[in-house]
Amino acid sequence: DAKTTQPNSMESNEEEPVHLPCNHSTISGTDYIHWYRQLPSQGPEYVIHGLTSNVNNRMASLAIAEDRKSSTLILHRATLRDAAVYYCIAQGGSEKLVFGKGTKLTVNP
Amino acid sequence: KAGVTQTPRYLIKTRGQQVTLSCSPISGHRSVSWYQQTPGQGLQFLFEYFSETQRNKGNFPGRFSGRQFSNSRSEMNVSTLELGDSALYLCASSLADRYTEAFFGQGTRLTVV
Repeated sequence: DAKTTQPNSMESNEEEPVHLPCNHSTISGTDYIHWYRQLPSQGPEYVIHGLTSNVNNRMASLAIAEDRKSSTLILHRATLRDAAVYYCIAQGGSEKLVFGKGTKLTVNP
Repeated sequence: KAGVTQTPRYLIKTRGQQVTLSCSPISGHRSVSWYQQTPGQGLQFLFEYFSETQRNKGNFPGRFSGRQFSNSRSEMNVSTLELGDSALYLCASSLADRYTEAFFGQGTRLTVV
């Protein structure tokens, strides 16, 4: 599984968009990019995943660079409930998820 | 449908004892993975079971073991507990397809004193 690098923390204001970056320069061609988040006192929660194309779901959008060495998770309108640690994972050919330290997102009212 | 259920939610054990934690996956999910979360090391993969067979194993000592039953329910066991085993233990279930997501339980908070 490829190593991922994320900023330790980011801040946003409520109702503004948030762009959470992730670098995965050693990603292989078959690794999927997954994003999970962990709210305080809860287990991680799936957010979104993709391989090459940009992906959208009801929670967020995932923009993947053309060379796949980086990706960005986009929360279109941050709410206070989006305050969490966000993990970017490059998943290889197994069920194992290798979590880094993630990005702690603070949302200001 | 019901989510991933882990029992117990909280546990206090004494150093040297052993402990068994339980995980009931989402109905239909055949893959169950276990993770340890500590403030210092973050979330670390312990092992993954699929159809009662361990398919992947993380870098943990042999004191950590697990098993999966025919109904996909899983247990993990830690023997000869050490203070450093105090952690949140999380279980995740999935359809065993890396194109889909893993669903995590709320975890078992183990404190070793």
